[in-house]
Amino acid sequence: ETGVTQTPRHLVMGMTNKKSLKCEQHLGHNAMYWYKQSAKKPLELMFVYSLEERVENNSVPSRFSPECPNSSHLFLHLHTLQPEDSALYLCASSQVRQVISPLHFGNGTRLTVT
Amino acid sequence: GEDVEQSLFLSVREGDSSVINCTYTDSSSTYLYWYKQEPGAGLQLLTYIFSNMDMKQDQRLTVLLNKKDKHLSLRIADTQTGDSAIYFCAESHHSWGKLQFGAGTQVVVTP
Repeated sequence: ETGVTQTPRHLVMGMTNKKSLKCEQHLGHNAMYWYKQSAKKPLELMFVYSLEERVENNSVPSRFSPECPNSSHLFLHLHTLQPEDSALYLCASSQVRQVISPLHFGNGTRLTVT
Repeated sequence: GEDVEQSLFLSVREGDSSVINCTYTDSSSTYLYWYKQEPGAGLQLLTYIFSNMDMKQDQRLTVLLNKKDKHLSLRIADTQTGDSAIYFCAESHHSWGKLQFGAGTQVVVTP
């Protein structure tokens, strides 16, 4: 398995459910990210973990809770979501402190909140 | 805040050149990127350019940067049907991560 893997690919959940998105990177990177992609809008950076510490939280509602247990894994725990949270959630990784280290993305989890 | 703007749609005939344009507002942008997203997939890095460069060529791709006007473009020569996708422009101050993305340009290649 290479690159950045996200599971599940699709998720439908009710507003009262609790679910988690999982991301795993096999690139030896030390920074991981959650982005939200909504149609015809710029990607929104949600969280950044660098060297397993959260370094960015872009005013994301508390119903989204990230977890980074080690440099290869990243989770996004979801609870009591709203229909407007339906979107494609993308995980990415990169290497901190290199001359150039662009983001490598997973294929995303398509989330539908009913 | 920082903004990255792109037109939302571009239609091009197979074999022609495509030019996708992007403007950004942050004058301290150091790295500028182009990503491609095919249906059902994540974003794939196509190419990048440092802000001290004017042009970068990589096979069929040519990136032009006008730093004075904060304008970035991506030219795809001999556009093929496999080039149909959404193309995202992004900028960053850092060499790693934390990119500011545009909304993406949907490129449709017609026979």
